[in-house]
Amino acid sequence: QQQVKQSPQSLIVQKGGISIINCAYENTAFDYFPWYQQFPGKGPALLIAIRPDVSEKKEGRFTISFNKSAKQFSLHIMDSQPGDSATYFCAASKGGYQKVTFGIGTKLQVIP
Amino acid sequence: ETGVTQSPTHLIKTRGQQVTLRCSSQSGHNTVSWYQQALGQGPQFIFQYYREEENGRGNFPPRFSGLQFPNYSSELNVNALELDDSALYLCASSPPLAGGFNEQFFGPGTRLTVL
Repeated sequence: QQQVKQSPQSLIVQKGGISIINCAYENTAFDYFPWYQQFPGKGPALLIAIRPDVSEKKEGRFTISFNKSAKQFSLHIMDSQPGDSATYFCAASKGGYQKVTFGIGTKLQVIP
Repeated sequence: ETGVTQSPTHLIKTRGQQVTLRCSSQSGHNTVSWYQQALGQGPQFIFQYYREEENGRGNFPPRFSGLQFPNYSSELNVNALELDDSALYLCASSPPLAGGFNEQFFGPGTRLTVL
């Protein structure tokens, strides 16, 4: 059972454009939604995270939008740069020391 | 501040063998989780250790086992290796709960190849 569904699986964006990655979850007990960035040969790195009591969180060029009623959340990367080319994972977990459930990942390529 | 480290970086084993992977958690972190990441997939939760006890387990058979030591470092042991065990194994450590949520910091992983 895929509890966190992520799309698209691959994305090509021109430099300066907006990259948008979408995720949907099924388990309403989830209350922590992190996004991870992974470069080839490296482990995932925490990028930004949101809790369901807010609808949007922005950190620099990265913004998470959260729609609790639709059980959906998305990552927007503004002014995308070639250095943003990586695989992005959305994830979800319950409060406390609970396992983190990951989406399948989106491979982003930002072309000059 | 040293991040999460894992050893070895790469490992090649044959089917039926046993393997031990090691993880040193980030300073100040008391919880360690292990994940398996197959090629082109997201990480899949194996299990988590807190205060040297297993604290949650994913859908993995008992031949996957682990330990956490008093210094919060950890080992992942896999017995009777199968070809499908070939993957990147990731260790993640977490600090004492910050706002009640499991903020995880990942190591670079160990690439295991089973022949």
